[in-house]
Amino acid sequence: KNEVEQSPQNLTAQEGEFITINCSYSVGISALHWLQQHPGGGIVSLFMLSSGKKKHGRLIATINIQEKHSSLHITASHPRDSAVYICAVDVTGTASKLTFGTGTRLQVTL
Amino acid sequence: SQTIHQWPATLVQPVGSPLSLECTVEGTSNPNLYWYRQAAGRGLQLLFYSVGIGQISSEVPQNLSASRPQDRQFILSSKKLLLSDSGFYLCAWSQTDGEAQHFGDGTRLSIL
Repeated sequence: KNEVEQSPQNLTAQEGEFITINCSYSVGISALHWLQQHPGGGIVSLFMLSSGKKKHGRLIATINIQEKHSSLHITASHPRDSAVYICAVDVTGTASKLTFGTGTRLQVTL
Repeated sequence: SQTIHQWPATLVQPVGSPLSLECTVEGTSNPNLYWYRQAAGRGLQLLFYSVGIGQISSEVPQNLSASRPQDRQFILSSKKLLLSDSGFYLCAWSQTDGEAQHFGDGTRLSIL
């Protein structure tokens, strides 16, 4: 079993829909990251959080440390949100060496 | 502002040939540096990380090596490439432990 599990693996939504991507982990962490990988491969860091909730534009990330679970929400989705979203964790005591989920491929259609 | 450069963007190499991928960071000093690989259909995996010049930690046994000859330069190498070395290689940096990592644009390596 992977230390970081994401669901769903693939997601298709229509423009305007509210989207949720989930991440569960089985190890102690100091922080959790949400990353966005575009079709060309480039990766952008969206959020780093260790508790509570963060919001940036139409993106919201939440984390529940007790339940070892995080969610990434996209409100009013748009085709330009189409990408692979990756959850990664800083495992406690590993000096910022990230452990990654396998990603959720999101396709937003018109 | 800080920037990270990684090259080449795409590389096709024959089995048994050597490899050198370079990554440089600008606008910061003494960053933590990382090399990741993303094999086809799989998640990212940390290969090497460095917290200072000449200091390299390897995460998985493999055919690759890394070096940090200068503070903001990180090089991924191989003497003889294997088919299994194909994948997407990403360099990243962070200022300190616990900070968000910033990724380069990646190198797509195909071994023939």
